[in-house]
Amino acid sequence: NAGVTQTPKFQVLKTGQSMTLQCAQDMNHNSMYWYRQDPGMGLRLIYYSASEGTTDKGEVPNGYNVSRLNKREFSLRLESAAPSQTSVYFCASSEVGGGTYNEQFFGPGTRLTVL
Amino acid sequence: QQPVQSPQAVILREGEDAVINCSSSKALYSVHWYRQKHGEAPVFLMILLKGGEQKGHEKISASFNEKKQQSSLYLTASQLSYSGTYFCGTRDNAGNNRKLIWGLGTSLAVNP
Repeated sequence: NAGVTQTPKFQVLKTGQSMTLQCAQDMNHNSMYWYRQDPGMGLRLIYYSASEGTTDKGEVPNGYNVSRLNKREFSLRLESAAPSQTSVYFCASSEVGGGTYNEQFFGPGTRLTVL
Repeated sequence: QQPVQSPQAVILREGEDAVINCSSSKALYSVHWYRQKHGEAPVFLMILLKGGEQKGHEKISASFNEKKQQSSLYLTASQLSYSGTYFCGTRDNAGNNRKLIWGLGTSLAVNP
């Protein structure tokens, strides 16, 4: 089992460019999440998907869109990147609701720099 | 409401003990603990549920005081491998079942 995989690992963008971060899990989990992590800010939820076909906003959704392509894959899109979106992005998944009995499994992260 | 972790940072010598606290202003249903090493992803340590149920690693202990709306993580006889940043994530009674609210983390350094 690969667990949660993310691509790319590193990315440098210019302001205004767009890109999609990819995430896939092979644990047959229902719930998937996108977080960003900035120094001193902890983990902040951008979007999550409770199950295939559903998505909901988290704490910091502005400037991002998501697609739950199927049960395995959950992508995050930056339509017009801004320097404020420079961050480390983590994708995570959990079996059902990660807020109760089930732990969240994290991908290795994507380190994004917007110039 | 974001939970508050204390202390912000701890420096230990190998073999010493530490306690990391996570407090919330809201009633909590569950508390999750994760450890993140530098440059890596967070890794699950433990879940504590209202009512006393726990799920997690055998070598790590934690408590959950529902009345005080607080959880504590106990790291005993620390090893070099314990170094990293510890995060608590909380779910309150009224919160969405699928979301955790995360604290800002406690940095732990264990020196030889």
